[in-house]
Amino acid sequence: GEDVEQSLFLSVREGDSSVINCTYTDSSSTYLYWYKQEPGAGLQLLTYIFSNMDMKQDQRLTVLLNKKDKHLSLRIADTQTGDSAIYFCAEVDGANNLFFGTGTRLTVIP
Amino acid sequence: GAGVSQSPSNKVTEKGKDVELRCDPISGHTALYWYRQSLGQGLEFLIYFQGNSAPDKSGLPSDRFSAERTGGSVSTLTIQRTQQEDSAVYLCASSSGSPRETQYFGPGTRLLVL
Repeated sequence: GEDVEQSLFLSVREGDSSVINCTYTDSSSTYLYWYKQEPGAGLQLLTYIFSNMDMKQDQRLTVLLNKKDKHLSLRIADTQTGDSAIYFCAEVDGANNLFFGTGTRLTVIP
Repeated sequence: GAGVSQSPSNKVTEKGKDVELRCDPISGHTALYWYRQSLGQGLEFLIYFQGNSAPDKSGLPSDRFSAERTGGSVSTLTIQRTQQEDSAVYLCASSSGSPRETQYFGPGTRLLVL
């Protein structure tokens, strides 16, 4: 399968911006996703981006895609304690399989 | 509306026993997926059902794992002769079509093999 990599942990202070990074290997990816997993809950789709886009903004969320470097990031502005969760990036390969990263555990410090 | 449901929410079993995990997808969704999330690992794709087509089993880790989807709706993931390394959260997701469609995830079944 494809490799999708993320750092495991991120801590930020409430009110600061969070930036969660992801790298992937499949050059044929057309869709890339960010999911949020809160404790005891299933995965929640936050946002997705097409590979022909560089940026997508949705309220406090900004997704940046550098297709040349195969690098995806999720920026959360004005991070709140309710944003504490595990964030997964995922990409769809050329065979329509979905591959997830290891997840980044975001801890928001009040 | 009703989302994806899974049962049981937790399962503790002894090594060597068989277990069955159930997934009820969102009504009308033709695509159904099983994933596994082991402690400290990312999500691992297991199997994908799309309509009446033969399932994509490329992610199943061994022949002890199998899955069925009856009537194009409910799916059962069966693990035979469980091993301790099978301990994980098993997540089911459904979508209205291909993997490029939004996948809606269930809450998962937490399996612990003693």
